[in-house]
Amino acid sequence: AQSVSQHNHHVILSEAASLELGCNYSYGGTVNLFWYVQYPGQHLQLLLKYFSGDPLVKGIKGFEAEFIKSKFSFNLRKPSVQWSDTAEYFCAVNAENYGQNFVFGPGTRLSVLP
Amino acid sequence: KAGVTQTPRYLIKTRGQQVTLSCSPISGHRSVSWYQQTPGQGLQFLFEYFSETQRNKGNFPGRFSGRQFSNSRSEMNVSTLELGDSALYLCASSLDGGSNTEAFFGQGTRLTVV
Repeated sequence: AQSVSQHNHHVILSEAASLELGCNYSYGGTVNLFWYVQYPGQHLQLLLKYFSGDPLVKGIKGFEAEFIKSKFSFNLRKPSVQWSDTAEYFCAVNAENYGQNFVFGPGTRLSVLP
Repeated sequence: KAGVTQTPRYLIKTRGQQVTLSCSPISGHRSVSWYQQTPGQGLQFLFEYFSETQRNKGNFPGRFSGRQFSNSRSEMNVSTLELGDSALYLCASSLDGGSNTEAFFGQGTRLTVV
């Protein structure tokens, strides 16, 4: 069975600080990887996804993530956070050919102080 | 275009009752998935429907069931409600249900069982 872990439960940063949120998964086969974000009071939205090709993927709002297959990791990064990035971030994996059966990590709450 | 619509937004039910939640996917989307979100267990996959057929099922008891109609709208039903069923139930739709396809989430239905 697949599982996803996220390194931090709650991260607090000041504006303009750099962000890295860790995500590791366990699954022996081919996976597709996603980062979703949930802003306060809003629905889950896709930040970025990886399913093949360049392991460094760029998403919306200046976010990027790097897939390191040997480490089963898919860490999310942003060079300079803004107050508006305050949200909960979820890493998710989906085994290839398993349809829309996402396994989500527990989430990391990011608080950005103005 | 309109997003994923879930109704109702809030529900309060009594233990032992049953409940039906509704989800209208984005127009043209053929896959609908359901997730349960709780503070303790996070986001957990319930089931996925594609073209009116259940394609994947998560690890939930048989009290949780669902269906999809020919217009892709979906309902999920929970019978014999238990206190532990209190949660945010999220519906997600995707265009073709592929494992590398983005899922679009609704705002959720907040179910409270008393």
